[in-house]
Amino acid sequence: QQQVKQSPQSLIVQKGGISIINCAYENTAFDYFPWYQQFPGKGPALLIAIRPDVSEKKEGRFTISFNKSAKQFSLHIMDSQPGDSATYFCAASRTGSARQLTFGSGTQLTVLP
Amino acid sequence: DAGVTQSPTHLIKTRGQQVTLRCSPKSGHDTVSWYQQALGQGPQFIFQYYEEEERQRGNFPDRFSGHQFPNYSSELNVNALLLGDSALYLCASSLVFPRGKWDTEAFFGQGTRLTVV
Repeated sequence: QQQVKQSPQSLIVQKGGISIINCAYENTAFDYFPWYQQFPGKGPALLIAIRPDVSEKKEGRFTISFNKSAKQFSLHIMDSQPGDSATYFCAASRTGSARQLTFGSGTQLTVLP
Repeated sequence: DAGVTQSPTHLIKTRGQQVTLRCSPKSGHDTVSWYQQALGQGPQFIFQYYEEEERQRGNFPDRFSGHQFPNYSSELNVNALLLGDSALYLCASSLVFPRGKWDTEAFFGQGTRLTVV
């Protein structure tokens, strides 16, 4: 019940295109859903996060869409750039866990110039 | 403001040996969590320390242990190393105030790459 499933495993997008990564969770106690970006040899860096009281959150070119009834959330990267090429992880945690995160398996995004 | 710092950056150990990894949390943070990230996988939660005590633990054997010091820094110890322990070990810090009411974002260090041969 702690699992977070992420797809696709890899994604190739042309510069200027839209990248979409999807995640699904099982534990209804989760109430915080962040996305992390990780470059090779680096630790994950927080990109954007959402709570289930809103269905969408946008920060610059990055948007999270959240569907509470379906227990799914997704990351949309608009106007994708080669510098966005990295591995993206969705995660989930619950309030009171001091940010104990359950991560998805990751999506390797490649943005072609 | 220094972020989360981990040492060493890389480490090579022999099967059966013991290893200690270190983490200094982001300034102002009081909670440290450790994660193991195998190649091509998402990070897996090992355990979390708050007020110098282990508060939560993931599905890892007792060979994995830790410690938190009064200055909030933390160590991860792994005994009797196995080849399968080869991974990137990540430390994340956060602040919980007041406990259970709300949590800050978790910030990760750059990790320690452990190779067991």
